Amino acid sequence: TQLLEQSPQFLSIQEGENLTVYCNSSSVFSSLQWYRQEPGEGPVLLVTVVTGGEVKKLKRLTFQFGDARKDSSLHITAAQTGDTGLYLCAGGDSKSRNMLTFGGGTRLMVKP
Amino acid sequence: NAGVTQTPKFQVLKTGQSMTLQCAQDMNHEYMSWYRQDPGMGLRLIHYSVGAGITDQGEVPNGYNVSRSTTEDFPLRLLSAAPSQTSVYFCASSLRQGGIQKLFFGSGTQLSVL
Repeated sequence: TQLLEQSPQFLSIQEGENLTVYCNSSSVFSSLQWYRQEPGEGPVLLVTVVTGGEVKKLKRLTFQFGDARKDSSLHITAAQTGDTGLYLCAGGDSKSRNMLTFGGGTRLMVKP
Repeated sequence: NAGVTQTPKFQVLKTGQSMTLQCAQDMNHEYMSWYRQDPGMGLRLIHYSVGAGITDQGEVPNGYNVSRSTTEDFPLRLLSAAPSQTSVYFCASSLRQGGIQKLFFGSGTQLSVL
């Protein structure tokens, strides 16, 4: 079983601060996705990265896939209260029909 | 657009009772899956289906059954509920692009087993 570990588990910051959350594994993934989940709702896909070293930007969010495709990071610049939520990374493996393995999540709270 | 619809939103069961969680999607996706979410453990795959008539086990399948008679519907059955099955359950359908699954989730069912 492939495992994805996310850190930190919890993060509470003030509006305007920058932050980075991490997703690490000892296994190689063919793709890595990030989802955001708000209370009472299902996760929503933010981004997919597939190439080692790939960087994608979504407004103030920057996603990076590690060179060896074993890890990823999500950096948020100038966090806003609307960024509050649970961030989940998920790895896809072509050997298992690309079904996703999820990390435990990082719960982010941005205070005004 | 409805997307992925799950019912019920909340459910309380007694140990030993059975029930079915309903899931329907209107996006004509081939892949559908069921996950459970427990605090600090992310989402764990219970069962999945790659098309009508085809199902397979995920990481935590024990105590659950599924069937896929149509593309649209993928119900999850709890045969004899146990307190360990208290969790939030999410159904997802997948758009597969270039071999990559992109999941669309329902809003979840919060299940408590007493």
